[in-house]
Amino acid sequence: GQNIDQPTEMTATEGAIVQINCTYQTSGFNGLFWYQQHAGEAPTFLSYNVLDGLEEKGRFSSFLSRSKGYSYLLLKELQMKDSASYLCAVRDSNYQLIWGAGTKLIIKP
Amino acid sequence: DAGITQSPRHKVTETGTPVTLRCHQTENHRYMYWYRQDPGHGLRLIHYSYGVKDTDKGEVSDGYSVSRSKTEDFLLTLESATSSQTSVYFCAISRPGQPGTEAFFGQGTRLTVV
Repeated sequence: GQNIDQPTEMTATEGAIVQINCTYQTSGFNGLFWYQQHAGEAPTFLSYNVLDGLEEKGRFSSFLSRSKGYSYLLLKELQMKDSASYLCAVRDSNYQLIWGAGTKLIIKP
Repeated sequence: DAGITQSPRHKVTETGTPVTLRCHQTENHRYMYWYRQDPGHGLRLIHYSYGVKDTDKGEVSDGYSVSRSKTEDFLLTLESATSSQTSVYFCAISRPGQPGTEAFFGQGTRLTVV
């Protein structure tokens, strides 16, 4: 079966750095996505990786290792508004998105 | 804003009644999706459409049907609502097959079946 694992919840301090991990086992691979979802809102796109390596976008970076079935989302200079759930999704060989359950990130002052 | 509107935003209905949720897009995208989101689960695909009158089942399609008579509208129907269908429903559009294209989501519909 297809599976995406990520931690259920993480806590970090304002101004710090946090890394959210995602491991996957899917039927084929056509890219990995990270989304941010604030409580009561729709998911919004953060990043996309299809090749191994690090993609940087401002305070957010995303890393991919296809051979290990592993990705992480790195958030720097944390702000209170970064409190949200972070969803990892993989596009499989049928171009369908398979979603992890999400990681709830709590930021403390 | 990807031009996706869901209606209604909130609905409470009784067990056994039919319910229809609407997704409307203004982007002329060919692919549209219906997901449900429940605590402890990732987004789960219910049905999707790859064109007018072209639809297919997702992983949790039992108890749901869809219709797409126009490019801009994708309807999700619960034929006879059950309490297990209490959930948040999201519609999404995307452009699969085009590397890097992401899914855009509507605001969601919170459905409660009592």
